[in-house]
Amino acid sequence: GAVVSQHPSRVICKSGTSVKIECRSLDFQATTMFWYRQFPKQSLMLMATSNEGSKATYEQGVEKDKFLINHASLTLSTLTVTSAHPEDSSFYICSARDQQATGRAKNIQYFGAGTRLSVL
Amino acid sequence: SQQGEEDPQALSIQEGENATMNCSYKTSINNLQWYRQNSGRGLVHLILIRSNEREKHSGRLRVTLDTSKKSSSLLITASRAADTASYFCATDSSNTGKLIFGQGTTLQVKP
Repeated sequence: GAVVSQHPSRVICKSGTSVKIECRSLDFQATTMFWYRQFPKQSLMLMATSNEGSKATYEQGVEKDKFLINHASLTLSTLTVTSAHPEDSSFYICSARDQQATGRAKNIQYFGAGTRLSVL
Repeated sequence: SQQGEEDPQALSIQEGENATMNCSYKTSINNLQWYRQNSGRGLVHLILIRSNEREKHSGRLRVTLDTSKKSSSLLITASRAADTASYFCATDSSNTGKLIFGQGTTLQVKP
């Protein structure tokens, strides 16, 4: 199956620093990728839709200046948590679907392994 | 935003038993998917059922969909310790790839 690589898997940083998380589709192209946030023992909350070559679409309540998304190529989207604070500590996960897949497969999302961010 | 509830929130069974998880959602959908998440990891797609389908099978998995009740169920038969994980339903209402997840069910299968 298709593979999505997410890096880094774990980040520990000081309050006020910015953290960049990369999401790569390794063997397929994705014009759209998705960024989720997950708190412990909770479900995934969609943060934004990353669109290749254009601005990301943010969900209600998500600060776009806080969570900068760049989707510069068909295989890479980045999420930058700017001026991170302890309340930004969370598990961030990206996903993408293979835009060239057909039938049922075109609706399947492939997820990265996630990035655990801890802000001290 | 969350689509709805999953029931139960936690389930503990013995190896060999069947596990049933339920999911309810609020809006009309194009398809509903089930994903599995091992602790601290990403999600893995299990099965997709379209809005015009009522039942799908994949190995030991059986998914049902009742659009009139806006609900779905996932049945895992002959469970194994390796099935221990969290299971999430997710609805796709727009065919854009945007998924809205349920609350999830944490399954523990005891050996």
